[in-house]
Amino acid sequence: EDKVVQSPLSLVVHEGDTVTLNCSYEVTNFRSLLWYKQEKKAPTFLFMLTSSGIEKKSGRLSSILDKKELFSILNITATQTGDSAVYLCAVLENYGGATNKLIFGTGTLLAVQP
Amino acid sequence: DAGITQSPRHKVTETGTPVTLRCHQTENHRYMYWYRQDPGHGLRLIHYSYGVKDTDKGEVSDGYSVSRSKTEDFLLTLESATSSQTSVYFCAISTGTGNTIYFGEGSWLTVV
Repeated sequence: EDKVVQSPLSLVVHEGDTVTLNCSYEVTNFRSLLWYKQEKKAPTFLFMLTSSGIEKKSGRLSSILDKKELFSILNITATQTGDSAVYLCAVLENYGGATNKLIFGTGTLLAVQP
Repeated sequence: DAGITQSPRHKVTETGTPVTLRCHQTENHRYMYWYRQDPGHGLRLIHYSYGVKDTDKGEVSDGYSVSRSKTEDFLLTLESATSSQTSVYFCAISTGTGNTIYFGEGSWLTVV
């Protein structure tokens, strides 16, 4: 059965800390891996990773994919209270045709304290 | 903003009643999805559509049906709501195969 596993389940840090969130996957038809940030509403898109070893960056956030070891990490440097959220990892399956489905992990709850 | 509107945003209904949630998009995207989100389970795909009148089941489709008669609207129907269908429902869209999936604001449904 295809699955996406995130760790840790939750994390409490102080402002200014650096955090690393983990995502491992076992998906038969892997196409790409996506990271989302979810506050008290809809998940908002952060990154899509398709190739191994190529880091994607956006401000203090960065992410990288390892397709050999089947995992990805999301790094957040100099954390701020506004980074507090659930971070979701999802794998996009590849059926080569009309389908386009995401398999989600259960998320990592990040709390950044002042 | 991916131009997705869900309605209603909040609803309380009684067990056994039918409920329809609507997802409306303004940008002609081909793919539309319905997910539900529950504690401990994350986001799970209910049904999806890859074009007008083209739909298929996701991993948790039992008790749900969908329809897509126009590109812009994707309806999710609970024929006879049960308490286990109390959840947050998210509509999502994608512009094409392999493209990023964007989510609507969510519909909170409580079945009492």
